Amino acid sequence: EPEVTQTPSHQVTQMGQEVILRCVPISNHLYFYWYRQILGQKVEFLVSFYNNEISEKSEIFDDQFSVERPDGSNFTLKIRSTKLEDSAMYFCASSEIQEQFFGPGTRLTVL
Amino acid sequence: GQNIDQPTEMTATEGAIVQINCTYQTSGFNGLFWYQQHAGEAPTFLSYNVLDGLEEKGRFSSFLSRSKGYSYLLLKELQMKDSASYLCAHGQNFVFGPGTRLSVLP
Repeated sequence: EPEVTQTPSHQVTQMGQEVILRCVPISNHLYFYWYRQILGQKVEFLVSFYNNEISEKSEIFDDQFSVERPDGSNFTLKIRSTKLEDSAMYFCASSEIQEQFFGPGTRLTVL
Repeated sequence: GQNIDQPTEMTATEGAIVQINCTYQTSGFNGLFWYQQHAGEAPTFLSYNVLDGLEEKGRFSSFLSRSKGYSYLLLKELQMKDSASYLCAHGQNFVFGPGTRLSVLP
């Protein structure tokens, strides 16, 4: 069964460093998403992406964040200068229409 | 603004039926999602309602009333593996509720 994959599973970084989180969506899906979940808190939407451009973004998705689809398979989330409060689980998801399939997540720890 | 409310925790017995409610306020509407999330795992899609009424899918059903800003998830014939958090999410900017942690007891 096709699935969304994410790498790395864990990322530890120093405050102020740039990180890139990688996702491979399901191959025939057209819509891609990034969410984050701080430990013990609710899932928060960051951004959705369709047809090679951002379709929606939340207030969290400020200038420190960017997304890219550098090739036909990868979908990346870059955080330019990480802050302590960026520590969270980051989930990528993809969908053909409405049903979103989530990847296993990348746990980001900012020290 | 947008707001979604769900009960924080619920407990039920194996084999029983449980209803998890969700109320929402939003300026627009683009469907209502339900997800299941086991501890330490990613959410998995359960249902999507865009029209009023009940959508049944096996042991799980989801109901929507747009005029009341209300949805519920109905779980029948509860099993121990149903112990998880159940997340209500609005399709307008994909706003998630805080989740309802369901514990199924033997």
